[in-house]
Amino acid sequence: GQSLEQPSEVTAVEGAIVQINCTYQTSGFYGLSWYQQHDGGAPTFLSYNALDGLEETGRFSSFLSRSDSYGYLLLQELQMKDSASYFCAVSFNYQLIWGAGTKLIIKP
Amino acid sequence: SQTIHQWPATLVQPVGSPLSLECTVEGTSNPNLYWYRQAAGRGLQLLFYSVGIGQISSEVPQNLSASRPQDRQFILSSKKLLLSDSGFYLCAWSAFEWDTKNIQYFGAGTRLSVL
Repeated sequence: GQSLEQPSEVTAVEGAIVQINCTYQTSGFYGLSWYQQHDGGAPTFLSYNALDGLEETGRFSSFLSRSDSYGYLLLQELQMKDSASYFCAVSFNYQLIWGAGTKLIIKP
Repeated sequence: SQTIHQWPATLVQPVGSPLSLECTVEGTSNPNLYWYRQAAGRGLQLLFYSVGIGQISSEVPQNLSASRPQDRQFILSSKKLLLSDSGFYLCAWSAFEWDTKNIQYFGAGTRLSVL
């Protein structure tokens, strides 16, 4: 079956860098996406990787390696407002297959 | 610009009562539409998706149904709610054109408590 695995929780310090990993057991997908969800809110799109390599969007970067079945989201210069859950998802025809999400806890 | 409206924001319903949640999208045509459910602290479970009027695909057999009576309207229904139907319901849309990114844009969600 298709599945994506993420750590359930990651803790980091304000101002630091944190990496959230996503490993998957699926193939034939178009690309890997990342979404952010604050407590009580709706998910919002952050980043997308169609090809292997690094995509940078401001403080956030996302990486994909299809040969390693692996991707990650890198958050730099962490701010307290980055405290949220982060989901990876792979895209197929009309659908996204979602990971269970990683709760990012940021300490001052 | 495109916007998605979902209501109500919060709903408390007794077991056995009916349910109707509505979602509408503005500013785009022929969107793909999705209903998800999210349990507290968990990931997103796809319930239904639709690629056109009257076309509904169900991902999980359950107590719920969906309809798409108009191009930009998506409705989630139940005839008799169960306790297990409690959760955070999210509607989302993505562009229909051949866009393999399938970036999904979410409504604000409905928090349903079945008591």
